[in-house]
Amino acid sequence: GQNIDQPTEMTATEGAIVQINCTYQTSGFNGLFWYQQHAGEAPTFLSYNVLDGLEEKGRFSSFLSRSKGYSYLLLKELQMKDSASYLCANMDSNYQLIWGAGTKLIIKP
Amino acid sequence: GAVVSQHPSRVICKSGTSVKIECRSLDFQATTMFWYRQFPKQSLMLMATSNEGSKATYEQGVEKDKFLINHASLTLSTLTVTSAHPEDSSFYICSASSPREPYEQYFGPGTRLTVT
Repeated sequence: GQNIDQPTEMTATEGAIVQINCTYQTSGFNGLFWYQQHAGEAPTFLSYNVLDGLEEKGRFSSFLSRSKGYSYLLLKELQMKDSASYLCANMDSNYQLIWGAGTKLIIKP
Repeated sequence: GAVVSQHPSRVICKSGTSVKIECRSLDFQATTMFWYRQFPKQSLMLMATSNEGSKATYEQGVEKDKFLINHASLTLSTLTVTSAHPEDSSFYICSASSPREPYEQYFGPGTRLTVT
């Protein structure tokens, strides 16, 4: 079967660092995607990993381990505007995205 | 680049009527577009995959006769909710697949449908 697991909710403090984990089991693999979704809005593309390792993009970094079926999104220097849901998605052998349920990140001052 | 528009952003309709939602890729050609539905505090649910010039592929449990999808050009896909009922009230979001690897999806802003 196909399965994406990520925590339902996380809380962090403004200015701190938070890591959101994602594990996946899907048929085929064509990349691991992270999206950000603010309440009432559509998701926006954050990052993509297809090879093992860390991809850094400003305050956001994403890591992938294909052998472990594991990825994480690292957010540094948290700002209040980072409060959102973060969606992990795996692209399967048909180039279709299999979505996790999302992690709601709450930032406290 | 990679802008996807969706219209209307909000619509309220009466039970039994039909509603058409348009999804356009503004600055790229999208062979494949996707239609999602999202209920409050729930994850995205893929309804169907729309390929230009061919019939849409519907996910299990999605009624193809109720949710009509037309992908007439490389920049436009439409979703028509026919004979809408209150339980169809939801946030409908389209996405368009980039024509180049890694074929990431770019989302429209969504349409909030309320059926009274």
